[in-house]
Amino acid sequence: QKEVEQNSGPLSVPEGAIASLNCTYSDRGSQSFFWYRQYSGKSPELIMSIYSNGDKEDGRFTAQLNKASQYVSLLIRDSQPSDSATYLCAVHSGGGADGLTFGKGTHLIIQP
Amino acid sequence: GAVVSQHPSWVICKSGTSVKIECRSLDFQATTMFWYRQFPKQSLMLMATSNEGSKATYEQGVEKDKFLINHASLTLSTLTVTSAHPEDSSFYICSGGLNTDTQYFGPGTRLTVL
Repeated sequence: QKEVEQNSGPLSVPEGAIASLNCTYSDRGSQSFFWYRQYSGKSPELIMSIYSNGDKEDGRFTAQLNKASQYVSLLIRDSQPSDSATYLCAVHSGGGADGLTFGKGTHLIIQP
Repeated sequence: GAVVSQHPSWVICKSGTSVKIECRSLDFQATTMFWYRQFPKQSLMLMATSNEGSKATYEQGVEKDKFLINHASLTLSTLTVTSAHPEDSSFYICSGGLNTDTQYFGPGTRLTVL
């Protein structure tokens, strides 16, 4: 059974600070890792994908992957109130036909 | 970017009726389409994977006779919830994939069964 674990939160962060979101996964064979943002009542939108160990930066977002520890994280710099949402970690095991396994998400609140 | 649409965006139906949800990839051909379900305050759970012209592959615990999936073309997949009951009320989201792990999600369909 593939599992993706996230702290459900809520995680409250002051505006302008760094928000740190974490995720662990159970399947060592996982190849691809994604962070999605989901606003209430909406479908997920892709923020970042990461495939190899280390950091990947895109604007205010940095994804970090450590396959040995089966750990993925997302850092959001200069947090804005519009970043308030639920952040879903998703894992793909490899092979285009497989769907994504999602964590339950972390509810992030950016306090103005 | 790749766009996926769903129709309807929301539907309310009576218990025992069937509901069809359409998922279309608008600007790309999706070799594979995925159907997810999300209950309140829960994560997305994969229901089934469908490839154009072949039978869908259902996840464990998902009744294939209740959730009928048809993937007639590379741009259209449909999910029919047959004999819907209140416990089927949920947010149904489809996604389209190319030959990679990248999936493009539709806006979702909120189903309420009375």
